[in-house]
Amino acid sequence: GQNIDQPTEMTATEGAIVQINCTYQTSGFNGLFWYQQHAGEAPTFLSYNVLDGLEEKGRFSSFLSRSKGYSYLLLKELQMKDSASYLCAVRDSNYQLIWGAGTKLIIKP
Amino acid sequence: IAGITQAPTSQILAAGRRMTLRCTQDMRHNAMYWYRQDLGLGLRLIHYSNTAGTTGKGEVPDGYSVSRANTDDFPLTLASAVPSQTSVYFCASSDSAQGADTQYFGPGTRLTVL
Repeated sequence: GQNIDQPTEMTATEGAIVQINCTYQTSGFNGLFWYQQHAGEAPTFLSYNVLDGLEEKGRFSSFLSRSKGYSYLLLKELQMKDSASYLCAVRDSNYQLIWGAGTKLIIKP
Repeated sequence: IAGITQAPTSQILAAGRRMTLRCTQDMRHNAMYWYRQDLGLGLRLIHYSNTAGTTGKGEVPDGYSVSRANTDDFPLTLASAVPSQTSVYFCASSDSAQGADTQYFGPGTRLTVL
């Protein structure tokens, strides 16, 4: 079967750095996405990786290792507004997105 | 530009009733999707449409049907609602289903079936 694993919940301090990991086992791979979802709202796109390596976008970076079936999302200079769930999704061989359950990130002052 | 709109925002429905969730996008995206999101589970694909006039089944299609008569609209119908269909339903769209094309989500419909 297809599986995306992420930690259920993480806690970090305002101003710090946090890394959210995602491991996947899917039938085929056509890219990995990270989305942010604030409570009661829709998911919004953060990043896309299809080749190995690091993609940097402001305070957010995403890393991919296809051989290890592994990705992480790195958030720097954490702000209170970063408190949200972070969803990892992999596009499989049928070009459908398989979603992880999400990681709830709690930021403390 | 509104992006994607969904209606209703929330609904309480008696079991056995028929219900249609509406989804409209104004981005001229080819692909559209319906997901359900339940606590502790990832988003699960119900049905999708890669282009107007075509639809396909996702991971959890039973009890749901869709149609795609034009580019903008993608309604989801529950023929006879059951309590296990209580969930938050998100409609999404993307320019295509490939490459770096990202999915844009509507605000969601919170459905409770009693």
